[in-house]
Amino acid sequence: DVKVTQSSRYLVKRTGEKVFLECVQDMDHENMFWYRQDPGLGLRLIYFSYDVKMKEKGDIPEGYSVSREKKERFSLILESASTNQTSMYLCASSPHPGLDNYEQYFGPGTRLTVT
Amino acid sequence: GESVGLHLPTLSVQEGDNSIINCAYSNSASDYFIWYKQESGKGPQFIIDIRSNMDKRQGQRVTVLLNKTVKHLSLQIAATQPGDSAVYFCADKTGGSYIPTFGRGTSLIVHP
Repeated sequence: DVKVTQSSRYLVKRTGEKVFLECVQDMDHENMFWYRQDPGLGLRLIYFSYDVKMKEKGDIPEGYSVSREKKERFSLILESASTNQTSMYLCASSPHPGLDNYEQYFGPGTRLTVT
Repeated sequence: GESVGLHLPTLSVQEGDNSIINCAYSNSASDYFIWYKQESGKGPQFIIDIRSNMDKRQGQRVTVLLNKTVKHLSLQIAATQPGDSAVYFCADKTGGSYIPTFGRGTSLIVHP
């Protein structure tokens, strides 16, 4: 079974702190994604990566950065956390498109609260 | 999937009934569609997918119907059970794109 794990289920940080969210997948997938999920707003893409050291901005990259030094690991960084970044953060991985099955596999999520 | 909104649509059903969850998509070039289930406190989980060269696909207790003419997707759950209570998302994707577009989700509540 594919497993996508996230370093924390719940996290509480203070405004201005630097926050690291870690995600690891064990299926050798090329693509990895970071989403945030807010009530009534669905999933919004923050960043994605299609290869090691490669990254692309999603729909809402402001206030975030990412790092992908190894294929299995994709980190989301909040340089200076703000209260409007309180949210559920979901990591996902997927194989390259073109294969029959292109589902994304999601981690359990990290609920981040910034106070 | 549809553009986002502030209110999550909700479908309430009785245990044992059939459920139908609907989704509209906007990109006529989309050729791959997925339904996800997200239980409380968990990440979305794949349920079933369908390619644009099909109108219907069946899984275990679930059926996905695709109407490309009106850009509409539906998920039918037979004999709904309390364990089916969750938020259901549709997603669509085009060709070689890496990025699916997610709908805003529908909350399914199953009453025993």
